[in-house]
Amino acid sequence: EIVMTQSPAILSVSPGERATLSCRASQSVSNNLAWYQQKPGQAPRRLIYGASTRATGTPARFSGSGSGTEFTLTISSLQSEDFAVYYCQQYNNWPVYTFGQGTKLEIK
Amino acid sequence: QVQLVESGGGVVQPGRSLRLSCAASGFTFRNYAIHWVRQAPGKGLEWVAVIYYDGSNKYYADSVKGRFTISRDNSKDTAYLQMNSLRGDETAVYHCARESGNPSSPHMDVWGRGTTVTVSS
Repeated sequence: EIVMTQSPAILSVSPGERATLSCRASQSVSNNLAWYQQKPGQAPRRLIYGASTRATGTPARFSGSGSGTEFTLTISSLQSEDFAVYYCQQYNNWPVYTFGQGTKLEIK
Repeated sequence: QVQLVESGGGVVQPGRSLRLSCAASGFTFRNYAIHWVRQAPGKGLEWVAVIYYDGSNKYYADSVKGRFTISRDNSKDTAYLQMNSLRGDETAVYHCARESGNPSSPHMDVWGRGTTVTVSS
């Protein structure tokens, strides 16, 4: 099984500042990685797929990068609606998908 | 709009069974694979199972293999998860999710809000 490790577990950032979230895979997943945002009581929402492709409706302040085993989600200027939990997911090992444990982005 | 709505959750005793449903709308259901993903209280996301668009293939996480069965009825635009021999650590919100129609990027592009399953005596 491919293990996905996200860091940090909790990230405290002020509105308007930049946030950088990391995700590491235990083995290469090529660019088969997605990022999801989840707010309390809501379904996860797809933000990024193919490691760097923004999904329809994802604001331009969100960007994804990386390939192989190291990935980053960057939010360039945090808005109030961005404070949530973020998960990375590999789908290289279809159909056995694995998720990271999540990074909680909170207001500083 | 494109939507998935889960139902069927509830409180069940350990060792008993429950069947969840996932009703789709706003898209051609029969063209898409469907996944189930669960989330224990305060925890992350765990993939559970997937079924092909036509039901011809099904795959399961090792933790549920032999106890859970995924199925679908394309005439009703609905997928199901039959859960048998439930355990206490399977208390979770169960989400269904649509696999994107892009074979080169088979991620989950649409999710339901989930239905809560509580396994407790």
